[in-house]
Amino acid sequence: DAGVIQSPRHEVTEMGQEVTLRCKPISGHNSLFWYRQTMMRGLELLIYFNNNVPIDDSGMPEDRFSAKMPNASFSTLKIQPSEPRDSAVYFCASRSSGSTGGELFFGEGSRLTVL
Amino acid sequence: GQSLEQPSEVTAVEGAIVQINCTYQTSGFYGLSWYQQHDGGAPTFLSYNALDGLEETGRFSSFLSRSDSYGYLLLQELQMKDSASYFCAVSLIGGYSTLTFGKGTMLLVSP
Repeated sequence: DAGVIQSPRHEVTEMGQEVTLRCKPISGHNSLFWYRQTMMRGLELLIYFNNNVPIDDSGMPEDRFSAKMPNASFSTLKIQPSEPRDSAVYFCASRSSGSTGGELFFGEGSRLTVL
Repeated sequence: GQSLEQPSEVTAVEGAIVQINCTYQTSGFYGLSWYQQHDGGAPTFLSYNALDGLEETGRFSSFLSRSDSYGYLLLQELQMKDSASYFCAVSLIGGYSTLTFGKGTMLLVSP
């Protein structure tokens, strides 16, 4: 079974450019999470979808960030315009409703560098 | 909000036993999870405790004391490949529960 698939794995862009990160959750999982990881702040939850509906977006830093989940097998995280402080590793994770409360399946992450 | 405290770094030698502690402050606590992450790769799930006591999975065990808001991850028979970052994470009561992660503990295993 394929795990959570994220693309791109690495992105280098210039300040002001639009960035779109993509995620394909594990088939059958109905919850999807976007996390951001930096040395200073660790793993931070950005947004959480359940059955394609955004449930908690309180972690989205500001209006420059937006996330969508148009169907059960695809989600995007968009940053427009990007800034150097957005440089981080962005992880997507999914969970089945039948799993234990603590088990998330993470993708390999998208490493974003904004110059 | 929630806060979690864990040591930033722990060192040990191969074959030894190491314990990584985690204390948390949160309302509506439901369970404590542990994750392993190698070199910035995907965090991978290790264990989960919702009830007080010890959960054992091979060389790894996890403990929870709800009354003390405290848990730990115990790694036995350490191997070089156990060098990684270890994160505790809390989940809250409620149907739509997310995970809040600690800052992580870097474990360095030396020969």
